[in-house]
Amino acid sequence: GAGVSQSPRYKVAKRGQDVALRCDPISGHVSLFWYQQALGQGPEFLTYFQNEAQLDKSGLPSDRFFAERPEGSVSTLKIQRTQQEDSAVYLCASSTSSGTGELFFGEGSRLTVL
Amino acid sequence: GENVEQHPSTLSVQEGDSAVIKCTYSDSASNYFPWYKQELGKGPQLIIDIRSNVGEKKDQRIAVTLNKTAKHFSLHITETQPEDSAVYFCAATQPNQAGTALIFGKGTTLSVSS
Repeated sequence: GAGVSQSPRYKVAKRGQDVALRCDPISGHVSLFWYQQALGQGPEFLTYFQNEAQLDKSGLPSDRFFAERPEGSVSTLKIQRTQQEDSAVYLCASSTSSGTGELFFGEGSRLTVL
Repeated sequence: GENVEQHPSTLSVQEGDSAVIKCTYSDSASNYFPWYKQELGKGPQLIIDIRSNVGEKKDQRIAVTLNKTAKHFSLHITETQPEDSAVYFCAATQPNQAGTALIFGKGTTLSVSS
């Protein structure tokens, strides 16, 4: 596709359920980032991949959060045993460079945990 | 790590007026400072960026200035139009050995009334 594609766009989960959010970056983009954006806040860094290697996961808030990009293209962010504080928009971005260049963001996946 | 502060949180201007948004950062090693515009329900989109070897950059009605000594940078929008209404985020790199994730400010909601 022409841009970064994320699915699902909206997800409602009951507390304690596991969720998986998918990101399909722009073809050929080496770098992939996940950000969490709470309502009325700026995006907060979660994790970064260069190809299939997860080079930085310092922003993941707990061990319930897990991300992978096994073939260096599509990435999945998994949240286990969801909590209400996990409710947010999860943004994926890709880039041709290691980060000091334009990030192309998807429209995000809005997660609501009841 | 890097910390980015952004002011004001909301800004209302009349069409044709100028708008200025200011950001400060904490890590003197940061060297890349982009500005993103986010419209409702969309992902952030890069509008302009500046690197630390440049003091000012202009693109039509948008300009960014950088003061590395004071560790602050600003976005200037002249001749504002209703379509400029959106949330604007400043960001700075978080230099580390693993990657260069962007650290975002909390955002400024700009409203341009006609």
